[in-house]
Amino acid sequence: QKEVEQNSGPLSVPEGAIASLNCTYSDRGSQSFFWYRQYSGKSPELIMFIYSNGDKEDGRFTAQLNKASQYVSLLIRDSQPSDSATYLCAVNSGGGADGLTFGKGTHLIIQP
Amino acid sequence: GAVVSQHPSRVICKSGTSVKIECRSLDFQATTMFWYRQFPKKSLMLMATSNEGSKATYEQGVEKDKFLINHASLTLSTLTVTSAHPEDSSFYICSASTGADQPQHFGDGTRLSIL
Repeated sequence: QKEVEQNSGPLSVPEGAIASLNCTYSDRGSQSFFWYRQYSGKSPELIMFIYSNGDKEDGRFTAQLNKASQYVSLLIRDSQPSDSATYLCAVNSGGGADGLTFGKGTHLIIQP
Repeated sequence: GAVVSQHPSRVICKSGTSVKIECRSLDFQATTMFWYRQFPKKSLMLMATSNEGSKATYEQGVEKDKFLINHASLTLSTLTVTSAHPEDSSFYICSASTGADQPQHFGDGTRLSIL
């Protein structure tokens, strides 16, 4: 049984600070890792994806992957109120050809 | 790029009705499309993987005779919820990938309410 664990939150962060979101996964064979943002009542929107150990940066977002620890994280720098949403960690054992296993998501609140 | 369109966005119908949901990749060809379901305050759950020209692969616990999936072309997959009942009310979301090593992009979802 593949599992993806996230702290459901809410995680409250002051505007302008760094928000740190964490995720662990159970399937050691997982190869692809994704962070999606989901606003209430909407479908997920891709934020970042990472395949290799280490950091990957895209604008204010940095994804970090540690396969040995089965841990993936998302950092949001200079947090904005518009970043308030639920952030979903998703994992699959291959590339886009396999369905994703999602965590339950972390509810992030950026306080103005 | 990588736009996925899903229609309808919302359906309200009586128990026993069959409902068809369409998922289209607008600017790319999707060999594989995926159907997910999300209940309130729950995570997205994969229902089935849809491959163009072949039978869909269903996840454990998903009734293939109730949730009919057709993937007739590289840009269109449909999900038909047959004889829907109130417990089928949920948020149904499709996704598609541009390739085996590429992330999935999601449609806007269909909110299904069965009265």
